[in-house]
Amino acid sequence: EVQLVESGGGLVQPGGSQRLSCSASGFTFSSYAIHWVRQTPGKGLEYVSSISPNGANTYYADSVKGRFTVSRDNSKNTLYLQMSNLRSDDTAVYYCVKDLLARPVVPTYRFDCWGQGTLVTVSS
Amino acid sequence: DIQMTQSPSSLSASVGDRVTITCRASQNINNFLNWYRQKPGRAPNLLIYAASTLQSGVPSRFSGSGSGTDFTLTISGLQPEDFATYFCQQSYSSRVTFGQGTRLEIK
Repeated sequence: EVQLVESGGGLVQPGGSQRLSCSASGFTFSSYAIHWVRQTPGKGLEYVSSISPNGANTYYADSVKGRFTVSRDNSKNTLYLQMSNLRSDDTAVYYCVKDLLARPVVPTYRFDCWGQGTLVTVSS
Repeated sequence: DIQMTQSPSSLSASVGDRVTITCRASQNINNFLNWYRQKPGRAPNLLIYAASTLQSGVPSRFSGSGSGTDFTLTISGLQPEDFATYFCQQSYSSRVTFGQGTRLEIK
């Protein structure tokens, strides 16, 4: 069974940093692009970032570009999202999501399996 | 960015009913349209991709159609677990965008 488990959420002050992790199991992690998608009651679902299977290619939404960094450790089946210079509008539930197909470079952006999410709250 | 607009924002129906949800893109996205269901307190799950292809394990009461800018999700024979929120999403552009959601409630 495919499983994605996020961790690392919590309360962080504006301007601060936080690192999210996503532990994967049940599939060949190194063969799939993985994404981060966030959700808020007000703005709904918002794409955040993606990383190719070997980690060489990364993609970001304009809203997080230059502040967030996605990375992966295929030896540990783990995905990371390093977030810095956090703002109040980054407050959201962050989901780790597996791409539908095992493609080497360009993801399909079809979001196959989702983790349970981790809540990040940016507030003083 | 491509704007995705769903209608209605909410609707009420009964178990066994047939319902249709519409999603409109602000530009041509061919068939790069995906549908998700999100049950309360849970993560979304993929129902349909490429506008009309049923994801593995998804019941056949779900169907999708459309191309270009106009798309529909139809649920034939609502089940209790279908009372949830539904989202469309375009994967035509790497600048992925979602619809605002349609909340399906029990009448």
